[in-house]
Amino acid sequence: GAGVSQSPSNKVTEKGKDVELRCDPISGHTALYWYRQSLGQGLEFLIYFQGNSAPDKSGLPSDRFSAERTGGSVSTLTIQRTQQEDSAVYLCASSFTKVETQYFGPGTRLLVL
Amino acid sequence: GIQVEQSPPDLILQEGANSTLRCNFSDSVNNLQWFHQNPWGQLINLFYIPSGTKQNGRLSATTVATERYSLLYISSSQTTDSGVYFCAVVTGANSKLTFGKGITLSVRP
Repeated sequence: GAGVSQSPSNKVTEKGKDVELRCDPISGHTALYWYRQSLGQGLEFLIYFQGNSAPDKSGLPSDRFSAERTGGSVSTLTIQRTQQEDSAVYLCASSFTKVETQYFGPGTRLLVL
Repeated sequence: GIQVEQSPPDLILQEGANSTLRCNFSDSVNNLQWFHQNPWGQLINLFYIPSGTKQNGRLSATTVATERYSLLYISSSQTTDSGVYFCAVVTGANSKLTFGKGITLSVRP
């Protein structure tokens, strides 16, 4: 079956612009996660959705970051007023329930100039 | 929060050799996963192994939860095994994976 998909694959933007990153989880997976991977910080958790609600937003680095999930499926991560330090690979993962195997998408490579 | 330490940080092998990668964690875990990150950055699931032993082809993993470590064994290594291997855990009531810093494996022909 289809895995986790993310779009766009790559995004180059100018400092100060807003960007939206999309994640399509595996069908039937109730849990959805966003992580990011950067050279200096390794792999870090950003936010967790159970259905459409986000019980854990503890990893969002600032109020410029927000995310939503609709219909218990697709999720969008929005970064407002992007900064150069936001440059990273943003990874989405999903799992059937929160304690089961998390499957990762291919990521969105974001470069802020 | 929980600490996840992987060792060694770098490993160079000749094709055909065997290797053991280690993951130590500082608290009890509900979930432990091993991943292989390929050269294109994709995180490939290897094992979901909060406890016990599993095998998949040339790879096997063992987690000793009471002693807070997990081992990933690679036998008869191939050049396609090269990449970064991550261990990641979930603890307590959390749902998020906490990752180690990874082990960079290079298998030479």
